[in-house]
Amino acid sequence: AQKITQTQPGMFVQEKEAVTLDCTYDTSDQSYGLFWYKQPSSGEMIFLIYQGSYDEQNATEGRYSLNFQKARKSANLVISASQLGDSAMYFCAMREGGNTGKLIFGQGTTLQVKP
Amino acid sequence: EAGVAQSPRYKIIEKRQSVAFWCNPISGHATLYWYQQILGQGPKLLIQFQNNGVVDDSQLPKDRFSAERLKGVDSTLKIQPAKLEDSAVYLCARAFTDTQYFGPGTRLTVL
Repeated sequence: AQKITQTQPGMFVQEKEAVTLDCTYDTSDQSYGLFWYKQPSSGEMIFLIYQGSYDEQNATEGRYSLNFQKARKSANLVISASQLGDSAMYFCAMREGGNTGKLIFGQGTTLQVKP
Repeated sequence: EAGVAQSPRYKIIEKRQSVAFWCNPISGHATLYWYQQILGQGPKLLIQFQNNGVVDDSQLPKDRFSAERLKGVDSTLKIQPAKLEDSAVYLCARAFTDTQYFGPGTRLTVL
């Protein structure tokens, strides 16, 4: 069965430092997608970054990068130069099959950025 | 960016009452999803539509939940009768290229 595991319930980081949020996944499919979403206290789910299973390069979007290690089935999110506005819940998710497959989410990691 | 409208944003009801949520993927995308997010957990898919047809409703509690999508645009999700455990955020999402974009959600509290 498909599964996403986020082992860090809560993380702290000092403002302007980098932080890594861990995510491991389990699937038997060869074609899948990996996502990170940010959920502030307001509740909206904000898309951050996407990595396809066949992509050879790690995905980057501004201060966000996805450290994709296929053999280890990990897809960690790296946030560089943390800002106070980065304080939120972060979810890792996996989509199997085609572009419109459902997302399977992990339990989430709460990130708090300290001034 | 998200392009998904939802209403209402908040709803409080008594158990055994009925409630309905509305979603509009503003750009009219073919694939639409409803997810349920219980406090402290990640979202879980309830139902997926492709145009007007249902692709996946395997996790939808069909004895009390129903959903429809008319004309391949707007969608409504209904709960009747509501239970305490239905307290959650109900998120609607649209698929666009490789990604799903979510609306602001409806926070339901069942008392």
